[in-house]
Amino acid sequence: EIVLTQSPATLSLSPGERATLSCGASQSISSFLAWYQQKPGQAPRLLIYDASNRATGVPARFSGSGSGTDFTLTISSLEPEDFAVYYCQQRGNWPPTFGQGTRLEIK
Amino acid sequence: EVQLVESGGGLVQPGGSLRLSCAASGFTFSSYALSWVRQAPGKGLEWVSSISGAGGSTYYADSVKGRFTISRDNSENTLYLQMNSLRAEDTAVYYCAKGARGIITPFDYWGQGTLVTVSS
Repeated sequence: EIVLTQSPATLSLSPGERATLSCGASQSISSFLAWYQQKPGQAPRLLIYDASNRATGVPARFSGSGSGTDFTLTISSLEPEDFAVYYCQQRGNWPPTFGQGTRLEIK
Repeated sequence: EVQLVESGGGLVQPGGSLRLSCAASGFTFSSYALSWVRQAPGKGLEWVSSISGAGGSTYYADSVKGRFTISRDNSENTLYLQMNSLRAEDTAVYYCAKGARGIITPFDYWGQGTLVTVSS
């Protein structure tokens, strides 16, 4: 089973700043990585699939990059609604697995 | 508009059973794989089970294999999860999730979740 390790566990930033979230895989998963955003009391929302493709309706300030074992989600300029928990998820190796999450909080 | 609405959660004793349902609308139901993903209180996301669009292929996490059964009724646009021999560690919000672009993951739409509590 592929283990995904997200860092940092918590990221404290201010609106307008740039956020960089990382996800590392225990072995290569090619580009088969997705990112989700989850706000308190809500279901997760797909942001990015296959490492760098934005899902429908996702603002352009969200971007993903990486391949193999190292991946990054970047939010270019934080909006108030972006403060949430972010999860990465891989489908490069069965079964699908999730990272433990990065909490993005307001500084 | 894609909608997934789960139901059937509740309080059950250890060793008991529960059946979750997920009513879907807004897409061609039989064309898409569907899955159950759970989240224990205050914890992260865990994939539980998936089923192909036609229902002929099913997949389970090791943690639930032999205890849970996923199924679907394509005439009723409904997904099910039969949960038997429930344990305290099965306590979680259970989400149904639709696979994107005809594959199991990523999950492009999620329901609001239904809470399952296993406790005596």
